[in-house]
Amino acid sequence: GAVVSQHPSWVICKSGTSVKIECRSLDFQATTMFWYRQFPKQSLMLMATSNEGSKATYEQGVEKDKFLINHASLTLSTLTVTSAHPEDSSFYICSAPPKAAPGGYGYTFGSGTRLTVV
Amino acid sequence: GQQVMQIPQYQHVQEGEDFTTYCNSSTTLSNIQWYKQRPGGHPVFLIQLVKSGEVKKQKRLTFQFGEAKKNSSLHITATQTTDVGTYFCAATRSSGNTGKLIFGQGTTLQVKP
Repeated sequence: GAVVSQHPSWVICKSGTSVKIECRSLDFQATTMFWYRQFPKQSLMLMATSNEGSKATYEQGVEKDKFLINHASLTLSTLTVTSAHPEDSSFYICSAPPKAAPGGYGYTFGSGTRLTVV
Repeated sequence: GQQVMQIPQYQHVQEGEDFTTYCNSSTTLSNIQWYKQRPGGHPVFLIQLVKSGEVKKQKRLTFQFGEAKKNSSLHITATQTTDVGTYFCAATRSSGNTGKLIFGQGTTLQVKP
């Protein structure tokens, strides 16, 4: 089945630093990748959509300059949290839609990155 | 924007009891998907419903899509401890099944052995 590899699984960083999260589609080409954020005991909130070869589109209320998204190739999408602050601590997870991930209708999710900013 | 409301938020059951979670939308959905997220894990696709009134079964899990395609439910018969997790319904914002996936609030199931 389709696999999206996400790393790091967890990261602790100091306030003010930047953190890059990578998602790679291992056995298929993903022209689109969705990025979500999930706070404890809450649902997944869509942050942005990355598109290979074009600019990412952001959901309302998500700061473009703070959450930099790059879709460098058909198998790699990255999310960089710039100048991280404690309130950015969360679980970040990427997802590829089914037309890019063969084998079914479901979206394929990365394993997630737990970011803690101290 | 499109929202999918899901209830209840939490459900504690004794092992062997049944469990149901419900999703409702104010707008007609092109499809609805269900995912399970184990504690500390990522969402895993369970099923997609597309047709009005559709019912699908996966062993002890029964999924329904309403006639008006505005509501859906997931029913688990005779819960087991392995059913523990958060169950999310989700719908795509655009038509088809490759657009932005918007999640309901989720129902967290706890099963007492």
